[in-house]
Amino acid sequence: DADVTQTPRNRITKTGKRIMLECSQTKGHDRMYWYRQDPGLGLRLIYYSFDVKDINKGEISDGYSVSRQAQAKFSLSLESAIPNQTALYFCATSDHREGRDTEAFFGQGTRLTVV
Amino acid sequence: DQQVKQNSPSLSVQEGRISILNCDYTNSMFDYFLWYKKYPAEGPTFLISISSIKDKNEDGRFTVFLNKSAKHLSLHIVPSQPGDSAVYFCAASADFGNEKLTFGTGTRLTIIP
Repeated sequence: DADVTQTPRNRITKTGKRIMLECSQTKGHDRMYWYRQDPGLGLRLIYYSFDVKDINKGEISDGYSVSRQAQAKFSLSLESAIPNQTALYFCATSDHREGRDTEAFFGQGTRLTVV
Repeated sequence: DQQVKQNSPSLSVQEGRISILNCDYTNSMFDYFLWYKKYPAEGPTFLISISSIKDKNEDGRFTVFLNKSAKHLSLHIVPSQPGDSAVYFCAASADFGNEKLTFGTGTRLTIIP
């Protein structure tokens, strides 16, 4: 089983619909992240959470919201999906030890298409 | 403004030869650099990193070189194997934290048997 699990893996939704992408981890890490990848662009950070009560906006948070339901769960919501949110979404986790982050561990991704 | 650039979208290399993937950056505050490898339908996986206090870091077949004056790093894979065929992302941060990572656009490496 994957250490970082994303559901669903693929989703097609209509413009204006609300959709939630879920992420769960078994690594016991305290930090979790949501990124999106678009063709021709690198991964860009949407939101990140250092623990259950600490949630922060990333580079491209507009149009998204998140919820850290537990240390192991971090969900990303699109309140009203629009076509330019069509992308590949990745959840990631990391641990924070001795004042430094470990490298990030990524889920397998969710391919979202907004039509 | 792309602060981390991978100018070669794709690269093909014969099996057994050396693969060299390049990455340039513009932000002089970056002090930690990573390479991630990504197979289709999978998430990126960490490959190797280097801090700005070093100019070289090796891990088996993988070596990363950092040239701070040129703001350039490269990943060398020797010898290249078919399983190395993947997309490689360069990433950089200042005062390392994953929330501060800036990713390049990726280079698709194809190893020809």
